[in-house]
Amino acid sequence: QVQLQESGPGLVKPSQTLSLTCTVSGGSISSGDYYWSWIRQPPGKGLEWIGYIYYSGSTYYNPSLKSRVTISVDTSKNQFSLKLSSVTAADTAVYYCARGLQIDYWGQGTLVTVSS
Amino acid sequence: EIVMTQSPATLSVSPGERATLSCRASQSVSSNLAWYQQKPGQAPRLLIYGASTRATGIPARFSGSGSGTEFTLTISSLQSEDFAVYYCQQYNNWPPWYTFGQGTKLEIK
Repeated sequence: QVQLQESGPGLVKPSQTLSLTCTVSGGSISSGDYYWSWIRQPPGKGLEWIGYIYYSGSTYYNPSLKSRVTISVDTSKNQFSLKLSSVTAADTAVYYCARGLQIDYWGQGTLVTVSS
Repeated sequence: EIVMTQSPATLSVSPGERATLSCRASQSVSSNLAWYQQKPGQAPRLLIYGASTRATGIPARFSGSGSGTEFTLTISSLQSEDFAVYYCQQYNNWPPWYTFGQGTKLEIK
């Protein structure tokens, strides 16, 4: 059974960089034809896809966030990470890591609040 | 960008009745459409992929249909645990990137 777990600071100051890590267990992040994504959900709102890293290392980002997003992978730790720069209050959300095009596995989500 | 529009925003249905949720794409996504259920405080759960294939462990009362731009999620006989928010998602682009509908809240009538 694949499991994903997000980790990182729950509070980030405006203009700083939000950094989160997703640890994958129950399967190797570098095996199989999978997309490993970050998705967020502002409080009380819908889902927004941020971007993904393919098992081969290729990345693709939501064009609306592309200038601020970096997703990377550390296969030795079976983890992938998100960096979102120059954050504002609008980036306050629950951030999920997830697997797949049709997303069959999700992390539990972690709330990140942007506030001074 | 492909825009996904769900209707209605809120649907009130009595337990035991049928619920029909709609999702429309601004351009064809073929059958590259998934449905998710989300309950408060939880991550979404995959219900349907490929427009009509139930995910592992999903009860048969959930069914999906459609292709191209028009899709439907039907719940044949609502159980108490089915009241939640439902999202559709397309994954048709190349390279693939996802867009979600804004969600339909299914509430108890």
